Amino acid sequence: AQTVTQSQPEMSVQEAETVTLSCTYDTSESDYYLFWYKQPPSRQMILVIRQEAYKQQNATENRFSVNFQKAAKSFSLKISDSQLGDAAMYFCAYELDNAGNMLTFGGGTRLMVKP
Amino acid sequence: NAGVTQTPKFQVLKTGQSMTLQCAQDMNHNSMYWYRQDPGMGLRLIYYSASEGTTDKGEVPNGYNVSRLNKREFSLRLESAAPSQTSVYFCASTGTVNQPQHFGDGTRLSIL
Repeated sequence: AQTVTQSQPEMSVQEAETVTLSCTYDTSESDYYLFWYKQPPSRQMILVIRQEAYKQQNATENRFSVNFQKAAKSFSLKISDSQLGDAAMYFCAYELDNAGNMLTFGGGTRLMVKP
Repeated sequence: NAGVTQTPKFQVLKTGQSMTLQCAQDMNHNSMYWYRQDPGMGLRLIYYSASEGTTDKGEVPNGYNVSRLNKREFSLRLESAAPSQTSVYFCASTGTVNQPQHFGDGTRLSIL
């Protein structure tokens, strides 16, 4: 079974600074997808960014980018120019290709943004 | 822009009571999912339905049943609620293979 580990229960960052959230996963498969989801206090699950394992290029979405290291099974999220609205729980998730779209989530990292 | 709609948003039950959580999506998605989120943890898959007429167990199916009523609706039933089932329940759906899941706003369920 696949596992996803987020080793940082909490992180804080100063507004306008950059922060990196860590995620590692365990799998013996070669084709899979990785995601970062944001969960603000409203409880919504919001997709932040998605990475296909077969792509070497790291995904980016505006201020959000990932560092995908397939051999190390590492998938970190970098948030640049942090904003107060970025404060939330962030979850890393894994999805095996062609396996019913089932997601395996990490335990989450709470990000606090200081003004 | 309804997306995935879950009802109710909050519910309090007594131990042993039964309850059905409803989920409906208006995006013509084939696959639907039920997750639970316990405090301080990530979501865990309870059951999923890859297409209308099929359902399969996820990581934590014990104590739950599901029904894929039609393509739009996927319900989760607790036959005899237990305090260990106190959690926030999320429904999600997705269309084509390997596309991101769309989540509902969750149902906070407390069992006393």
